[in-house]
Amino acid sequence: EVQLVESGGGMVQPGGSLRLSCAASGFTFSNSWMHWVRQAPGKGLVLVSRISTDGSITYYADSVNGRFTISRDNAKNTLYLQMNSLRVEDTAVYFCARGTITAPRSTFDLWGQGTMVTVSS
Amino acid sequence: QSALTQPPSASGSPGQSVTISCTGTSSDVGSYNFVSWYQQRPGKAPKLMIYEVSKRPSGVPDRFSGSKSGNRASLTVSGLQAEDEADYFCSSFADNTNVVFGGGTKLTVL
Repeated sequence: EVQLVESGGGMVQPGGSLRLSCAASGFTFSNSWMHWVRQAPGKGLVLVSRISTDGSITYYADSVNGRFTISRDNAKNTLYLQMNSLRVEDTAVYFCARGTITAPRSTFDLWGQGTMVTVSS
Repeated sequence: QSALTQPPSASGSPGQSVTISCTGTSSDVGSYNFVSWYQQRPGKAPKLMIYEVSKRPSGVPDRFSGSKSGNRASLTVSGLQAEDEADYFCSSFADNTNVVFGGGTKLTVL
């Protein structure tokens, strides 16, 4: 089955860290640009970060640049998001998503179910 | 505040057509034909419904169509069905390789 499964979310205090994982299956992970998109409770979607097929090109939203690090292990078919110095405003459901073949940086044709990150004291 | 502007709600009766707008700027919708629409049901992951302004992924009913004029994109759902009730988000590629999303429109089938 073609799917993405996120894990690693939870509750953390401001200033803390979390590492999210996204396990891919059913498709050639190493051929796909991958993304993290978040959705705060009751809010819209926001692109957090993206990574190219070989990991050489990355992008970060201004709001997380310098605090979050995206990476991938193509041998393990897994995408990661290391989140440091977490803030209350980082509270959201974090989705991993696959970029399409024709528009890998801008269009997402497969999404995981999401993992909730709550930053609170 | 989201980068792209969508109406918070839209509605229609079964069988009717409804159009949802998505307004951006010359830095996103107006400059790129990478506008997408996603359907999201409560507690579920988004699903790609339209990409590159007007293309439909395999499996998406042809009742769903997309268009763009200037800085404004639109999603039209024809022949509304109860199963179409969901939130719909637009997105666009933008300058500086960003991707911006709309705030979402809750579609209600009356």
